[in-house]
Amino acid sequence: NFMLTQPHSVSESPGKTVTISCTRSSGSIASNYVQWYQQRPGSAPTTVIYEDNQRPSGVPDRFSGSIDSSSNSASLTISGLKTEDEADYYCQSYDSSNHPWVFGGGTKLTVL
Amino acid sequence: QVQLVQSGAEVKKPGASVKVSCKASGYTFTGYYMHWVRQAPGQGLEWMGWINPNSGGTNYAQKFQGRVTMTRDTSISTAYMELSRLRSDDTAVYYCARANYWGQGTLVTVSS
Repeated sequence: NFMLTQPHSVSESPGKTVTISCTRSSGSIASNYVQWYQQRPGSAPTTVIYEDNQRPSGVPDRFSGSIDSSSNSASLTISGLKTEDEADYYCQSYDSSNHPWVFGGGTKLTVL
Repeated sequence: QVQLVQSGAEVKKPGASVKVSCKASGYTFTGYYMHWVRQAPGQGLEWMGWINPNSGGTNYAQKFQGRVTMTRDTSISTAYMELSRLRSDDTAVYYCARANYWGQGTLVTVSS
């Protein structure tokens, strides 16, 4: 099994852009789709990006996802930061054998 | 619209079992694997396993092998997760989730 490593925390000011990375420890980041989940305090996770770079309906286009094979990592970029974006963000991918979900450790985004 | 509605909070004693339900609506229940994920207080997301609602086939994380059982009742579009021999460190919010959608979570507290 592989691991997904995220920074523990990031912070940025309202209106700015922030990028959260998710690095895969072994195997290619491109071999299995990456999802990103937002979790506000006391709430269930919600999907903000699926299949590397797709946005569910209702998610603003300020949220975007990408993968970079050279660094074997995925990224979530949030532009035009709002205070409501303050939350924990988790990346998730699959192990090809029997399709278990693998989660990153989560990144706490502070918007101040 | 897709909805996953879980059963209510539970308080259990060490050594007991708990069974959490997840009722799906708004999509074809047998068309998507159902995953179970838990989150201990202040911690990240931990994948427990999945069930294929079509076949009933399951895949459990090694950590939970022998203690977890995932089942489904296709007649009422409901998935179940039963965890036995509960310990205090099983205290967590348990989520059901399918591609892009999550239940609201069920708090299971294990305390003597």
